Amino acid sequence: QVQLQESGPGLVKPSDTLSLTCTVSGYSISSGYYWGWIRQPPGKGLEYIGSVYRSGTTHYNPSLKSRVTISVDTSNNQLSLELSSVTAADTAVYYCARELGVIRAFNIWGPGTMLTVSS
Amino acid sequence: DIQMTQSPSSLSASVGDRVTITCQASQDIGNYLNWYQQKPGKAPKLLIYDTSNLDTGVPSRFSGGGSGTDFTFTISSLQPEDLATYYCQQYDNFPITFGQGTRLEIK
Repeated sequence: QVQLQESGPGLVKPSDTLSLTCTVSGYSISSGYYWGWIRQPPGKGLEYIGSVYRSGTTHYNPSLKSRVTISVDTSNNQLSLELSSVTAADTAVYYCARELGVIRAFNIWGPGTMLTVSS
Repeated sequence: DIQMTQSPSSLSASVGDRVTITCQASQDIGNYLNWYQQKPGKAPKLLIYDTSNLDTGVPSRFSGGGSGTDFTFTISSLQPEDLATYYCQQYDNFPITFGQGTRLEIK
């Protein structure tokens, strides 16, 4: 059974860089699939952040591209998200999810981790 | 970016009702559309991919249709556990974009 679990600091200060990790169990990232990050501000809809493949190939939402880095650590079966220069607008629940390549559907999700940007 | 507009934004229906949600794309996306269900406090769950294909284990009361710019999501007989917000998502053009969501309440 494939499971994803996000982890992060919970609270970051404005202008800092947030770092989140997603640990995958029940499936080896090295075996394939893209792995993505999606976020959801409180009470709002879903926003695609970007995706990474086992090779390290990435796709970023252009609206965030200048601030985002997504990477994969196959030895620890993890993917990571870094978002720089955060503001209150980056406060959200952050989800990692497995992306089915051709249909670009996210079919397995982590429970999400809440990240608040505040001084 | 392709804008996805769902309607209604919210609706209330009774158990056993037939419920339909629409999703309109700002440009032709073929049939490159997925639907998700998000229950309160939970992560989204994939229900339908490629407009009309049910993901594994999804009950047959859920269905999807449409093409081009206009799509529908239907629950044939509403159940109490269908209380959730539903999102459409296009993947024809990068970046992937989602509709704003339709909140479904049970009367």
